[in-house]
Amino acid sequence: SQTIHQWPATLVQPVGSPLSLECTVEGTSNPNLYWYRQAAGRGLQLLFYSVGIGQISSEVPQNLSASRPQDRQFILSSKKLLLSDSGFYLCAWSVRWMSEKLFFGSGTQLSVL
Amino acid sequence: AQKVTQAQTEISVVEKEDVTLDCVYETRDTTYYLFWYKQPPSGELVFLIRRNSFDEQNEISGRYSWNFQKSTSSFNFTITASQVVDSAVYFCALSANYTGANSKLTFGKGITLSVRP
Repeated sequence: SQTIHQWPATLVQPVGSPLSLECTVEGTSNPNLYWYRQAAGRGLQLLFYSVGIGQISSEVPQNLSASRPQDRQFILSSKKLLLSDSGFYLCAWSVRWMSEKLFFGSGTQLSVL
Repeated sequence: AQKVTQAQTEISVVEKEDVTLDCVYETRDTTYYLFWYKQPPSGELVFLIRRNSFDEQNEISGRYSWNFQKSTSSFNFTITASQVVDSAVYFCALSANYTGANSKLTFGKGITLSVRP
């Protein structure tokens, strides 16, 4: 069966520090991978998605970047965090070439102070 | 452009009451998919249902039922005889212009449901 792992669960970082959130998927190949951010009262916002290794699409301009060094690994990064980067970050995957049903990770609560 | 509106932000009911969560969507595409996801306090979103635009048949799954009406662009979700474990944030989502390679969902802002014992 497929599983998705996301870590860490919580993170407190000072403004200006770097960020690296990691997400891995097991039990499937060639998944579509996604990073979402959930800010209070604003629902889920798609940040990045990837259809393959090294292929990253950004949905909104921001202080963050994403990378996909391996087929089932998706990393969210920042060189210098801003206060506005605080939020709940969710990684997700879906089966390529099929439905848009998403399987979500357990999320990372990021607080930038 | 796609848009999903969940006008209700918070709903509080007493256990065993029925509750309906509203969802209105906008899209210019004739082929699209509608979804509901549940986000319990643990944070992980859980898929509940997917409905395609050509299937307006209502669906029932246990205490859950969904009413899809294209005429009003709505995809409402009803929980019958609510339970405390139903307390969560519920998201409605839309995917249109389906290409397979670029599966993207537009989410509503979510409805926080609190079921009191």
